[in-house]
Amino acid sequence: AQSVTQLGSHVSVSEGALVLLRCNYSSSVPPYLFWYVQYPNQGLQLLLKYTTGATLVKGINGFEAEFKKSETSFHLTKPSAHMSDAAEYFCAVSDTGGFKTIFGAGTRLFVKA
Amino acid sequence: GAVVSQHPSWVICKSGTSVKIECRSLDFQATTMFWYRQFPKQSLMLMATSNEGSKATYEQGVEKDKFLINHASLTLSTLTVTSAHPEDSSFYICSARYRENTEAFFGQGTRLTVV
Repeated sequence: AQSVTQLGSHVSVSEGALVLLRCNYSSSVPPYLFWYVQYPNQGLQLLLKYTTGATLVKGINGFEAEFKKSETSFHLTKPSAHMSDAAEYFCAVSDTGGFKTIFGAGTRLFVKA
Repeated sequence: GAVVSQHPSWVICKSGTSVKIECRSLDFQATTMFWYRQFPKQSLMLMATSNEGSKATYEQGVEKDKFLINHASLTLSTLTVTSAHPEDSSFYICSARYRENTEAFFGQGTRLTVV
């Protein structure tokens, strides 16, 4: 079975500060890992994904994440937060067949001016 | 990337009526579609998985007679909430993939309010 744990339901940063959203996963098979962003009353937008290959993955809007198998982590970072980054972020895992995508509980990012 | 479109984006219906939500893959053939439900300030919970031409597989605790899923073609899946009640009010999101070992693409979601 697969599961995802996102540490911190809320994260608040100042504009220009580093963004770090934590995600740990559990999977019995090599996982596919994703980060999605959701703005209010909207669907999900894929930020980035890890399937195979390079463990440091770069995504849209300046976000990146690093797959660390030894730590079973896939933390999301952005060097400098922007007001427009305020949203809900979901970490997700699926098996290599992509059969099911399991989502974490989500982390709401607040960006202070 | 591939585009998945949901319709309607929002719907208000009276208690006891049924409402249908459509999920379309616009530029690819989706062999598998997924339906999720999201309560306010919560994560997405998988409701069911549907493969084109076969019956949907429902997650434990999801009433298959209440949430009817049809995946009649490679580009369209529908979710019908039958005899809707206020507790069915939620945000419903679909996703679609065109084959195994590929990611699923998400629709923009449908906000259902039952009054």
